Amino acid sequence: DIQMTQSPASLSASLEEIVTITCQASQDIGNWLAWYQQKPGKSPQLLIYGATSLADGVPSRFSGSRSGTQYSLKISRLQVEDIGIYYCLQAYSAWTFGGGTKLELK
Amino acid sequence: QVQLKESGPGLVQPSETLSLTCTVSGFSLTSYGVNWVRQPPGKGLEWMGTIWNDGSTDYNSALKSRLSISRDTSKSQVFLKMNSLQTEDTAIYLCARGGGYNSGYAFDYWGQGVMVTVSS
Repeated sequence: DIQMTQSPASLSASLEEIVTITCQASQDIGNWLAWYQQKPGKSPQLLIYGATSLADGVPSRFSGSRSGTQYSLKISRLQVEDIGIYYCLQAYSAWTFGGGTKLELK
Repeated sequence: QVQLKESGPGLVQPSETLSLTCTVSGFSLTSYGVNWVRQPPGKGLEWMGTIWNDGSTDYNSALKSRLSISRDTSKSQVFLKMNSLQTEDTAIYLCARGGGYNSGYAFDYWGQGVMVTVSS
């Protein structure tokens, strides 16, 4: 089974700051990687699919990138509404979520 | 618009079987797959299994022996059955639409989830 190691587990950042979250795949998964945001009491919302494609309605301050088997989600200028928990999801072989990153305001 | 809604019992006895229904609207089950995902309180997301648009299924290897997913296309419903429940199966259970190839096989729409507590 493919494992997804997400880091950091928690992150505190200031408004307008650049935030980066990473996921390391245990094997090659190509571009079959998605990112989600989950707010308290809500279902996850798709942000990025195909490693780099922005989902409909998602602000352009969110972006995804890939370097080998490492995947990154970048928030270019952190806003209050970006606070929540972020998950990666590999879709190359079945599906596996990363452990999550809790993003808080500093 | 695309909607998914989970329903089922909120409380299940240990060792018994969980039965949940995901009722969808705004799309056809013969065009899109549906996945089940669960989230224990305060913890992360776990993919459980999927039923593809052709009716075939795939399961998380850790749950495969206990899990069954089926559907009724005429009622736009997907069913989850999982047996031998234990307290560690207490979680929010969510269904999510599989976006297909053009969405990188990501889950693009989600239900609100249903809380299931396993307790005597």
